[in-house]
Amino acid sequence: AQSVTQLGSHVSVSEGALVLLRCNYSSSVPPYLFWYVQYPNQGLQLLLKYTSAATLVKGINGFEAEFKKSETSFHLTKPSAHMSDAAEYFCAVTLANQAGTALIFGKGTTLSVSS
Amino acid sequence: ETGVTQSPTHLIKTRGQQVTLRCSSQSGHNTVSWYQQALGQGPQFIFQYYREEENGRGNFPPRFSGLQFPNYSSELNVNALELDDSALYLCASRGTVIGYTFGSGTRLTVV
Repeated sequence: AQSVTQLGSHVSVSEGALVLLRCNYSSSVPPYLFWYVQYPNQGLQLLLKYTSAATLVKGINGFEAEFKKSETSFHLTKPSAHMSDAAEYFCAVTLANQAGTALIFGKGTTLSVSS
Repeated sequence: ETGVTQSPTHLIKTRGQQVTLRCSSQSGHNTVSWYQQALGQGPQFIFQYYREEENGRGNFPPRFSGLQFPNYSSELNVNALELDDSALYLCASRGTVIGYTFGSGTRLTVV
């Protein structure tokens, strides 16, 4: 069975500082990995996804993530935080090429950005 | 793209009642899945439908059931509502491209 662990339920950064949100996964078969963002009272918006192509994945709003198989990690980064980045972030995993499997989410990390 | 739309946006029900939540997926998205997100938690997988057949289910009791229709719409039905069923219910769909598009959710409150 696959699972996701997000280290740190709450991360606080200053505007302009580096954002690093950590995600480790467990999967018995090659995974697909995703990062989603959720603003208050809204659904989930896809930031980026890893689907076994390039290990460094670039997403929207300046975010990127690197798939590291040896560390079973898929950490999300952004060089310079903006106030509008304050939101809830979810890492998710699904099994590659397996019908019937949906997304398994981590518990989420709340990102706060201060001026 | 028309996106994924869910209705209603908010709903209040009494314990023991039944509820139906609706989702309209993007045209061509043959897979739809439903998630329950309790306050302060990550979404939990309820079940998934592909071409009107359930092809995956999470750890939810049988009183959670669903339907998918040929016009890319779907329903989540919950019988015998319990207080713990209060949550944001999210619908997500996908086509041939890997990745799910989520709706804005239905906030269900059971009192």
